[in-house]
Amino acid sequence: EVQLVESGGGLIQPGGSLRVSCAASGFSVSTNYMNWVRQAPGKGLEWVSVIYAGGGTNYADSVKGRFTIFRDNSRNTVYLQMNSLRTEDTAVYYCARRSSSGWYYFDFWGQGTLVTVSS
Amino acid sequence: EIVMTQSPATLSVSPGEGATLSCRASQSVSSNLAWYQQKPGQAPRLLIYGASTRATGIPARFSGSGSGTEFTLAISSLQSEDFAVYYCQQYNNWPSLTFGGGTKVEIK
Repeated sequence: EVQLVESGGGLIQPGGSLRVSCAASGFSVSTNYMNWVRQAPGKGLEWVSVIYAGGGTNYADSVKGRFTIFRDNSRNTVYLQMNSLRTEDTAVYYCARRSSSGWYYFDFWGQGTLVTVSS
Repeated sequence: EIVMTQSPATLSVSPGEGATLSCRASQSVSSNLAWYQQKPGQAPRLLIYGASTRATGIPARFSGSGSGTEFTLAISSLQSEDFAVYYCQQYNNWPSLTFGGGTKVEIK
């Protein structure tokens, strides 16, 4: 069974750093495109970042230069390192797997972890 | 960036009735459109991809249609578990993925 479990969220001051994790089971993160999608309170969904099967990465303009996605294949876990956090980064961060069909929709999502950026 | 506009923002429906949700793209996305359902406090769940193909385990009362810029998600005979927020997402313009703002389907 495919499962994604996020952790690491919390309250952080503006300008601070935080790392959130996504532990996967039932498949290998190293052979899939793994993504972070966020949802600000009461708002819609925003794609944030991807790590490709080959290890390349991509980011939304809103987080480029501040966030870094990486993975640990031995732990089957994907991470999002968030630096220089802003209040507008406050959101639930979901880990999501791109579909195995190769098309860019998300077939499995985790339950999310809340990141609150506030002084 | 392709802007996805969903309407209405809120739809009030009685259990057992049908519902039709709309999603419009600011430019053609071909059939590269997905629909997700999200219940309070839960992650989104994939319902439809390729504009009209149901994902694994999704009941037949959910159907998607459309192509280009106009898309529809129809739910026939709403069950209690169908009251949720629904989002569309275009994936025609990778790496620029965009979601609609959502339609909340509430109990009338």
